[in-house]
Amino acid sequence: GESVGLHLPTLSVQEGDNSIINCAYSNSASDYFIWYKQESGKGPQFIIDIRSNMDKRQGQRVTVLLNKTVKHLSLQIAATQPGDSAVYFCAEILGGATNKLIFGTGTLLAVQP
Amino acid sequence: EPEVTQTPSHQVTQMGQEVILRCVPISNHLYFYWYRQILGQKVEFLVSFYNNEISEKSEIFDDQFSVERPDGSNFTLKIRSTKLEDSAMYFCASSRQGEAGEQYFGPGTRLTVT
Repeated sequence: GESVGLHLPTLSVQEGDNSIINCAYSNSASDYFIWYKQESGKGPQFIIDIRSNMDKRQGQRVTVLLNKTVKHLSLQIAATQPGDSAVYFCAEILGGATNKLIFGTGTLLAVQP
Repeated sequence: EPEVTQTPSHQVTQMGQEVILRCVPISNHLYFYWYRQILGQKVEFLVSFYNNEISEKSEIFDDQFSVERPDGSNFTLKIRSTKLEDSAMYFCASSRQGEAGEQYFGPGTRLTVT
């Protein structure tokens, strides 16, 4: 079925540490994955995306890893800062003529100063 | 940096009333979306809109819902007869043609149905 879920609902890290947020997806037909950040009172903000023909993509301080064998997606944030505190969602788009984002349940990242 | 805007930020309405939520997508975007997020739950897709017609909708988007692009800038979501369970945060999003995955979200409208 269509479902994207997260392993950890809350992640607490110290400022300066690296954070890893995980996501499992169930639909092997998905060919596009995105990480969104949602701060309190705001809409989801695009962080980074990856297509299914890749297994790693890097941005500024963020890296997304895709393991299609086990249908697992992760977001790594280097040198986590207090401004990174937010809820992080993974989302997927199925292959074919659809632009519908299927969101996971979200992980709250709490950065301790 | 261009952004998606939504009005109002908070709408309170009585059950059975009609509401219209308004969005101004990013000006050079061609795909438009509505999502909703019930408190404490995940963001759910409602509808996508392209070339002045609905391109995809979810089972949530029943006959009580409609979307419209009345002019070159606005994109609206109408709920004809609101129910208590329609209370949620409603997000508008837009994307450029060919980059559908990179959807830019507005700040949302919190709808409270009493």
